Amino acid sequence: QKEVEQNSGPLSVPEGAIASLNCTYSDRGSQSFFWYRQYSGKSPELIMSIYSNGDKEDGRFTAQLNKASQYVSLLIRDSQPSDSATYLCAVNSPNTGNQFYFGTGTSLTVIP
Amino acid sequence: KAGVTQTPRYLIKTRGQQVTLSCSPISGHRSVSWYQQTPGQGLQFLFEYFSETQRNKGNFPGRFSGRQFSNSRSEMNVSTLELGDSALYLCASSLAPRYEQYFGPGTRLTVT
Repeated sequence: QKEVEQNSGPLSVPEGAIASLNCTYSDRGSQSFFWYRQYSGKSPELIMSIYSNGDKEDGRFTAQLNKASQYVSLLIRDSQPSDSATYLCAVNSPNTGNQFYFGTGTSLTVIP
Repeated sequence: KAGVTQTPRYLIKTRGQQVTLSCSPISGHRSVSWYQQTPGQGLQFLFEYFSETQRNKGNFPGRFSGRQFSNSRSEMNVSTLELGDSALYLCASSLAPRYEQYFGPGTRLTVT
């Protein structure tokens, strides 16, 4: 079982819609959760971090964490073509010396 | 505040050669992690340094090594290059382990 799992996609949504990206993790002791965006040919860019159960909003982005279900998600409201990228979920646990584990990413395409 | 810098940005080497990549973290950041990214494998963790000490190491052969200097700058070295080492090598810095990681632009290594 991989430490972090994401649907590889591709996920396509029309412009203006809500894009929902999901991630599950295996280490129940994980404490820190991150979403990164990576454009083709570029390096990952941090979008959001979340540490507590519940929702965290930042502009059009909302991260949701459910530690009981070992599930973290990212919602992108009013999706724009510029949001087309691969989204990486990362998890960090003290059980593994705070090493970051990344999912393989979900490719998102926003259709104008 | 300046971001993470990596040099060189592009590198072409021949099988059997060795290579050294450099990473300068964000000012004040003391933790540096290295990742290898390939289309088929996604982001693979190489190692992490904090205060000049290697804290974690990924599942890579001993040909891959690294170090961190007192000013937090880090280098990674790959000896006896193989074709399969062709990849984007990413450096990420953070204040300390567990905190958000910020990626540099990467070094694209091609081994011929």
